[in-house]
Amino acid sequence: ETGVTQTPRHLVMGMTNKKSLKCEQHLGHNAMYWYKQSAKKPLELMFVYSLEERVENNSVPSRFSPECPNSSHLFLHLHTLQPEDSALYLCASSQELQSSYNSPLHFGNGTRLTVT
Amino acid sequence: EDKVVQSPLSLVVHEGDTVTLNCSYEVTNFRSLLWYKQEKKAPTFLFMLTSSGIEKKSGRLSSILDKKELFSILNITATQTGDSAIYLCASGGGADGLTFGKGTHLIIQP
Repeated sequence: ETGVTQTPRHLVMGMTNKKSLKCEQHLGHNAMYWYKQSAKKPLELMFVYSLEERVENNSVPSRFSPECPNSSHLFLHLHTLQPEDSALYLCASSQELQSSYNSPLHFGNGTRLTVT
Repeated sequence: EDKVVQSPLSLVVHEGDTVTLNCSYEVTNFRSLLWYKQEKKAPTFLFMLTSSGIEKKSGRLSSILDKKELFSILNITATQTGDSAIYLCASGGGADGLTFGKGTHLIIQP
């Protein structure tokens, strides 16, 4: 148990589907993040939320839509994805915003997404 | 643009060997350098380094930072098969948050 729980673990979806990824952190952290990990590429930051407010959108296409209803939950809504969006999507949290403090990220196990 | 470069990208050694993983960084707003271990899914936190020359140690793992030369190393002594993983280095912490390297894929053969 990492303290950050992601569901589902695996997801296969067609290009016309709509699905959502869910993340929940049980650590009492104030900041949450979505990262994308593709094969042979560095982890890419997608979105950052601090106290439920989005503070960073790293030029992510609009087919990815985040939602943070409270400081413990984070969603990533997916629609009309492309095959190149297939990747491991990792949620993370930190005590404070990574940009402001030396606060390590705690990662979830990720959702392995395959777009067909 | 912030950059973190790790080397080697992959490494295969025998159990009992000592390995050194490298990480160089060029970031606009340095706050810390972090090492993570990623086995199957979730990267797990190993070390956070903020000061030059001070070694951090945890069991057989140790790490040190050189802020003048902009690099860090991660040492693993007496390696075990359970050390097989991808080791990620990350730095930054400014407005763009952390920048990650591609990782070093370490395989320990029995």
